[in-house]
Amino acid sequence: QQPVQSPQAVILREGEDAVINCSSSKALYSVHWYRQKHGEAPVFLMILLKGGEQKGHEKISASFNEKKQQSSLYLTASQLSYSGTYFCGTESSGTYKYIFGTGTRLKVLA
Amino acid sequence: DARVTQTPRHKVTEMGQEVTMRCQPILGHNTVFWYRQTMMQGLELLAYFRNRAPLDDSGMPKDRFSAEMPDATLATLKIQPSEPRDSAVYFCASASGGRGQPQHFGDGTRLSIL
Repeated sequence: QQPVQSPQAVILREGEDAVINCSSSKALYSVHWYRQKHGEAPVFLMILLKGGEQKGHEKISASFNEKKQQSSLYLTASQLSYSGTYFCGTESSGTYKYIFGTGTRLKVLA
Repeated sequence: DARVTQTPRHKVTEMGQEVTMRCQPILGHNTVFWYRQTMMQGLELLAYFRNRAPLDDSGMPKDRFSAEMPDATLATLKIQPSEPRDSAVYFCASASGGRGQPQHFGDGTRLSIL
């Protein structure tokens, strides 16, 4: 039931792009994205509430395909500060049940 | 900046001891979540409250874990008796309003049970 994220891990050079996917087996009300650096708490990035919605946050954006129960996080022109573990969090339709995905470890090299 | 405050930040204790973790949500936030994070299991939702009422604690081992919100400014998570497998980082998060609101995490309690 835990949303599955892919890839599990990715290594980039500064300036390269990356896409992280989050796939759920349940109908979703919303998808949240968080980034967690080692030894720190997860930090909120963005929420997507509607099917087909896209949002942007500096060079980080995301999309939510409600029909496919999938969301993708796009990181463009990556910076060293983007390194960390990215989690999607999903709220199921009909309940307030909230579940975090399996996580994607991202490392940006100089 | 408003923050979620968790205490203690670190706790080391022996198996069988009672452990109490505390969380002060951001003022005005009416939803509080408790998570456990381990390398093997990732971020697991243990329980959450809205307006101090427990909405779901299905992720929590009922025989030894308990979660309460004595008032709007304090949430507690207790483990009694503690076991080595309870060693993990426990996060509290709070959110405002209803659904679709971002969660703000505290710095966590790093718990080690010897």
